[in-house]
Amino acid sequence: AQTVTQSQPEMSVQEAETVTLSCTYDTSESDYYLFWYKQPPSRQMILVIRQEAYKQQNATENRFSVNFQKAAKSFSLKISDSQLGDAAMYFCAYRSADNNNDMRFGAGTRLTVKP
Amino acid sequence: DVKVTQSSRYLVKRTGEKVFLECVQDMDHENMFWYRQDPGLGLRLIYFSYDVKMKEKGDIPEGYSVSREKKERFSLILESASTNQTSMYLCASSPLPGLAGPLLNEQFFGPGTRLTVL
Repeated sequence: AQTVTQSQPEMSVQEAETVTLSCTYDTSESDYYLFWYKQPPSRQMILVIRQEAYKQQNATENRFSVNFQKAAKSFSLKISDSQLGDAAMYFCAYRSADNNNDMRFGAGTRLTVKP
Repeated sequence: DVKVTQSSRYLVKRTGEKVFLECVQDMDHENMFWYRQDPGLGLRLIYFSYDVKMKEKGDIPEGYSVSREKKERFSLILESASTNQTSMYLCASSPLPGLAGPLLNEQFFGPGTRLTVL
């Protein structure tokens, strides 16, 4: 079974600085999807960014971008110009292209943003 | 906007009680999911449903059952609550694969129910 590993339980960043959250995954599949979800304190989990494995270009959504290294099975999230509202729990997730219902989540990284 | 709602944000129950957690989505999604979220373990899938009256076990179904009588509603049932079921429960929904557009492959989450079993 696929596993997703987030090796940083907690991270901290100064407001306006850049931070990178790490994620690695284990799979034997060639086609899959990767996601970063954000869960603010006491609020709903929302999708931050997604990456299709067949696409070589790294996904970008405003201040959020990923570094997708397929051979290394690495999928890190970079947050530029960090804002106080970025403080949240971040989950990396993997979904097989063959199984719509099997999404695997990492343990999460709690990001603190210091003013 | 896709909306997934859960019946309670906080719930306190006693050991042995039967507990119902309700989830409703308003986007006509075929797939619905129940996860539990525990510190250091991320989200673990309990059950999912891909159609009315259809259900499949996830990774940790023991002690739980589900019901999906209507497309928009997916219920999680704890037949006899135990203290080790104290957790955050998240419901999610998603459309079928193959649908074009920005919703492809994404799961939409409810706000969660924090259940405490005493």
